[in-house]
Amino acid sequence: KQEVTQIPAALSVPEGENLVLNCSFTDSAIYNLQWFRQDPGKGLTSLLLIQSSQREQTSGRLNASLDKSSGRSTLYIAASQPGDSATYLCAVSPSGTYKYIFGTGTRLKVLA
Amino acid sequence: DVKVTQSSRYLVKRTGEKVFLECVQDMDHENMFWYRQDPGLGLRLIYFSYDVKMKEKGDIPEGYSVSREKKERFSLILESASTNQTSMYLCASSFKYRYSNQPQHFGDGTRLSIL
Repeated sequence: KQEVTQIPAALSVPEGENLVLNCSFTDSAIYNLQWFRQDPGKGLTSLLLIQSSQREQTSGRLNASLDKSSGRSTLYIAASQPGDSATYLCAVSPSGTYKYIFGTGTRLKVLA
Repeated sequence: DVKVTQSSRYLVKRTGEKVFLECVQDMDHENMFWYRQDPGLGLRLIYFSYDVKMKEKGDIPEGYSVSREKKERFSLILESASTNQTSMYLCASSFKYRYSNQPQHFGDGTRLSIL
C-alpha cells in the first residue's frame, strides 16, 4: 500500500533563506507527483506537477525534483519570503488508478 | 483559470440529518474527487468519479454516498450525519488523460460541524 511521508512536520526559517522540503513514498510505481500549497482554512493550490518520466520542474522560485527509484521528492524554495508561509503537501498518483495519496504536509513559517 | 466551486464554506448540521455537499467545476474535467481533511491525518479520499454516473470508493467511504448526474457536478451525501463526520471537506477535479500534465484543482473547502 502506497504511503507518503513528509518530514519535518513544521519548519521555521528567517526571510531570505533557501530551504528544502522533503517527501518520500513507498512504492515507485507512480504516474506523477504533485506539490501543493494550502493556506489556513483554504483549499489546495497546485504548485508543480512532475510526471514519472521527468526529473524536475521549475516555476519561479520553486524547483521540485523527483527520484522515483529511491521514492523521494524535494521542493526547493529560493529566497524565502513571509508570503511563502503556508502548509506544503505532496501527493503521488499510483499507477493504475486515478487516485492521489497525500502526505500530511510541512507547515512552513518564514519570519520577517 | 479552472474554477472548482463548493456550495458552502461553513455548514452546521445536527446528528442524524441527511447532508448534501455540492461541488461544481467549469473545465470539463472527467475526474472529480471528494476528500476529508483532519488534523494529523491529512487528506483522505472518500469517493471519486471518472465519468457521469460512474463512481468508485476511496479509502473511507463508510457513511457517505455520492451522485454525479452531470459532468460538472459532484455531490457528497452524508446519509445520517454523525459527530465523527465533523471535518473539512475538499472537492477536486482533473482531466482523465494521465499525461496531460494538468494538475488536480481544488475548491476552497467546506468546514462541516455536526452537533
